[in-house]
Amino acid sequence: QKEVEQNSGPLSVPEGAIASLNCTYSDRGSQSFFWYRQYSGKSPELIMSIYSNGDKEDGRFTAQLNKASQYVSLLIRDSQPSDSATYLCAVNRDDKIIFGKGTRLHILP
Amino acid sequence: EPEVTQTPSHQVTQMGQEVILRCVPISNHLYFYWYRQILGQKVEFLVSFYNNEISEKSEIFDDQFSVERPDGSNFTLKIRSTKLEDSAMYFCASSFLTGGPYGYTFGSGTRLTVV
Repeated sequence: QKEVEQNSGPLSVPEGAIASLNCTYSDRGSQSFFWYRQYSGKSPELIMSIYSNGDKEDGRFTAQLNKASQYVSLLIRDSQPSDSATYLCAVNRDDKIIFGKGTRLHILP
Repeated sequence: EPEVTQTPSHQVTQMGQEVILRCVPISNHLYFYWYRQILGQKVEFLVSFYNNEISEKSEIFDDQFSVERPDGSNFTLKIRSTKLEDSAMYFCASSFLTGGPYGYTFGSGTRLTVV
């Protein structure tokens, strides 16, 4: 079983719409959950972190965590062309962070 | 904003040669990491380093790999005898706390090409 699973996409969303990205994880002991954005050829950039069940909002981004279902999601409101990137879900395991393969998001102008 | 600095940005080396990838973590961070990303694949954990010793390493991090913090500011990854399959983007990261409660800050990466 893969530790962090994401749909690879691409996910195409019209500009101005809501993009919804999903992730499941296997280790029930994970306590910290992250969403990173990665542009092609660039390094991962942290955009959201979440530790408690429920929603966490930061500007246009909302992270959602459901530990019982081992599910993390990211909503991007009012999607912009600059949001086109690969979004990496990551969870902590022991003393490190492990990443999913990422979901490619394409915002259609 | 503090950043993690990596040099060089691109390194081309011949198979069998040794390479050293360099990183300067954020100054007040205590935990240091190396990750790699083969083109088109996921970001993979290699090694974590704390208090001048390795705290965890992955199966990828075999005897050909080593890490060092030689002078209290630099953090290096050495590959002793490079193989074609070592070609990848190597990212250094640092964090103030372990397990990343605040996530890691990544450097811009070194693209290693083994020919």
